[in-house]
Amino acid sequence: QKEVEQNSGPLSVPEGAIASLNCTYSDRVSQSFFWYRQYSGKSPELIMSIYSNGDKEDGRFTAQLNKASQYVSLLIRDSQPSDSATYLCAVITGNFNKFYFGSGTKLNVKP
Amino acid sequence: EADIYQTPRYLVIGTGKKITLECSQTMGHDKMYWYQQDPGMELHLIHYSYGVNSTEKGDLSSESTVSRIRTEHFPLTLESARPSHTSQYLCASSEYTGDGANVLTFGAGSRLTVL
Repeated sequence: QKEVEQNSGPLSVPEGAIASLNCTYSDRVSQSFFWYRQYSGKSPELIMSIYSNGDKEDGRFTAQLNKASQYVSLLIRDSQPSDSATYLCAVITGNFNKFYFGSGTKLNVKP
Repeated sequence: EADIYQTPRYLVIGTGKKITLECSQTMGHDKMYWYQQDPGMELHLIHYSYGVNSTEKGDLSSESTVSRIRTEHFPLTLESARPSHTSQYLCASSEYTGDGANVLTFGAGSRLTVL
């Protein structure tokens, strides 16, 4: 079983819509969760981090964490074509120094 | 703006050559990592380091080796490159944020092609 699971997509949404990206993780002791964005041919860049159950908002982005259900989600409001990228979910497990990444969900925002 | 630097950005070499991919960070981070990523595929951790003179193998077996003689420098070496080593290699380092968690920052990557 993979540490982090994501739907590979592609997820297509029209410009201005809400994009919803989901991620599940297998290790119940995981404490830190991250969303990275990766444009084609580029390296990943951090969008959001979340450590407590509930929602965390930053501009158009909202991360949601539910530790009981072991899932993390990312909502992107007012999606723009520039948001088109692959979104990677990452988790730090009980071995606190290692980051595990999901395979990523490709998002296409259509003008 | 990232303070982690990788060179070369692109490298095309022949089979059997020895190559070293350089990675340096100016942030004083103790933890550094090497990930391998094929186009459109997921990231795989191949090496990591907790600090000077500390290196560990990651979850994906790799024929490469690493060293950590200085905090800021974490080079990756392939003694004899093969076409199967063709990939993108991403270096990263991590720091504690104010709320006690690690945040991982990536360099721009080194794209290796072995003919």
